[in-house]
Amino acid sequence: QVTLNESGPTLVKPTQTLTLTCTYSGFSLITYGVSVGWIRQPPGKALEWLALIYWDDDKRYNPSLRSRLTISKDTSRNQVVLTMTNMDPVDTATYYCAHRRSTTERSFDSWGQGTLVTVSS
Amino acid sequence: EIVLTQSPGTLSLSPGERATLSCGASRSISSSSLAWYQQKPGQAPRLLIYGASSRATGIPDRFSGSGSETDFTLTISRLEPEDFAVYYCQHFDNSIWTFGQGTKVEIK
Repeated sequence: QVTLNESGPTLVKPTQTLTLTCTYSGFSLITYGVSVGWIRQPPGKALEWLALIYWDDDKRYNPSLRSRLTISKDTSRNQVVLTMTNMDPVDTATYYCAHRRSTTERSFDSWGQGTLVTVSS
Repeated sequence: EIVLTQSPGTLSLSPGERATLSCGASRSISSSSLAWYQQKPGQAPRLLIYGASSRATGIPDRFSGSGSETDFTLTISRLEPEDFAVYYCQHFDNSIWTFGQGTKVEIK
């Protein structure tokens, strides 16, 4: 059973760097084709894909946010980490991590419950 | 970049009725790259349909997807009380995922 759980600060100040951790179980991020992505959702608004990391450490980013994002993984701890620099109140959102089972799958089949991050001074 | 436009914004229906949700792409896309998710208040999205028409594991057969090129549809044949939620379409291409703005299915 695939499970994912996001953790990190609930409140950050403008200009600070946000670091979120996704702890997963039920799959291995060293298995060929597997990847984990991050998606966010501002309150009452739509979903926005942020970044994705593959089993082979290849990474992909949303072009509009690329300069602010870094995704990494620690397979020994079953964790994927997302950092976002220069946080702004418009970055207030629920941040989800999600599992993608193979490179031929074009959707996310399992999601964490999400973590709400508020950006405010 | 592909833009997905969902319509209507809100659909007001009664349990037992049929729901038809639309997702339009700004240019022709591969059907294999189109997915649908359901999201209930306070919950994460749940994958319903992938490849435009394939149901994800455990999804009831009252949910069906169809369409091609620029026009895609999610149909719920008979609404159950648990189906009232927000639905998003999603596209993948060239290592970029994009989502529509969502359709809310509410109880009339």
